[in-house]
Amino acid sequence: KQEVTQIPAALSVPEGENLVLNCSFTDSAIYNLQWFRQDPGKGLTSLLLIQSSQREQTSGRLNASLDKSSGRSTLYIAASQPGDSATYLCAVEGNTPLVFGKGTRLSVIA
Amino acid sequence: NAGVTQTPKFRILKIGQSMTLQCTQDMNHNYMYWYRQDPGMGLKLIYYSVGAGITDKGEVPNGYNVSRSTTEDFPLRLELAAPSQTSVYFCASGPRGTGELFFGEGSRLTVL
Repeated sequence: KQEVTQIPAALSVPEGENLVLNCSFTDSAIYNLQWFRQDPGKGLTSLLLIQSSQREQTSGRLNASLDKSSGRSTLYIAASQPGDSATYLCAVEGNTPLVFGKGTRLSVIA
Repeated sequence: NAGVTQTPKFRILKIGQSMTLQCTQDMNHNYMYWYRQDPGMGLKLIYYSVGAGITDKGEVPNGYNVSRSTTEDFPLRLELAAPSQTSVYFCASGPRGTGELFFGEGSRLTVL
């Protein structure tokens, strides 16, 4: 059974700092991995989707990497802003639909 | 473009009552999903569908039923509501073969 773990569970950083969120998964037989953002009381918004054949994806200040063989992914946020404050969830799709981690709650302090 | 629309946004049920959470998407996606999210937890899959007329159980299907009579609609039925079903329910859809997923805003259900 696929299990997804995200570390840390919560993170508080000053504005402008670069930061890394971590995601690990137990079964490396995946089709893709996604990072989502969730604002309080809202639905999920997909940030980056990495197919299993890819090593990374970039969108603006966000960069996600995937090391399928070791079962790890990182989300790098450059020059963090207060507007980045949200919960970030990692999810993997394999032989079953998306399995989610519990998320990392990020607070960026102005 | 409405995307994925869920109704109602909020609902309070008494133990033993039944209700249906509605989900509609206007993107002609084949795949649709129902997840539940409990406080501090990730999302857990309840049911999913890969096309009209086809449904499959996810990780936590007990106490729920679904149907998929059209591409657009994927209602989730709660029979005999229990306090353990207090949660936020998310519907999502995606096109076949891409891995993309689009979420609704969620339906917050409280069972008292």
